[in-house]
Amino acid sequence: EPEVTQTPSHQVTQMGQEVILRCVPISNHLYFYWYRQILGQKVEFLVSFYNNEISEKSEIFDDQFSVERPDGSNFTLKIRSTKLEDSAMYFCASTTGTGEGNEQFFGPGTRLTVL
Amino acid sequence: AQSVTQLDSHVSVSEGTPVLLRCNYSSSYSPSLFWYVQHPNKGLQLLLKYTSAATLVKGINGFEAEFKKSETSFHLTKPSAHMSDAAEYFCVVSGLYMDTGRRALTFGSGTRLQVQP
Repeated sequence: EPEVTQTPSHQVTQMGQEVILRCVPISNHLYFYWYRQILGQKVEFLVSFYNNEISEKSEIFDDQFSVERPDGSNFTLKIRSTKLEDSAMYFCASTTGTGEGNEQFFGPGTRLTVL
Repeated sequence: AQSVTQLDSHVSVSEGTPVLLRCNYSSSYSPSLFWYVQHPNKGLQLLLKYTSAATLVKGINGFEAEFKKSETSFHLTKPSAHMSDAAEYFCVVSGLYMDTGRRALTFGSGTRLQVQP
């Protein structure tokens, strides 16, 4: 069964460093998402991506964040200069469409630890 | 605006006994509702979804949920718990924001289900 994959599973970085989190969505999906979950808090929407551009972003997704689909299969989230508060689990998701009840398929997550 | 409240952060049951995980939602529009499960080191897996069809929804692994509009609830149940059901469960609401056209997912805070032998 096709699934969303994410690498790495755990990333440790120093404050101020750049990190790139990678995701491979399901191959025939068209809409891509990043969510994050700070330890002990709810899963929060960061950004959605369709047709090679951002379609929606939350207030969390500031200028430090960027996304791209560099090669038609990978979908990446870059944090330019990490802060301690960026420590969280980051989930990638994909779906075929945004109609009622369309399921988003989630990856296993990348745990980012900023020291 | 929409929100989801999972009333229990942690539920513990004995194997073979019923499971009830509670979820209440609020939404300005007719929502779609989902339950996702997350096992350790795994992604979020869809258990079941409600999309304005039958109010009693059957999902995978024997789980089901009933949409009750009058109570704004979407509780998850299973008649008999199995050890493999131990995981984190998320209630999720998806509503269409008419002003933006965006269909947003809003997550509950999660319920950790523990199954005792």
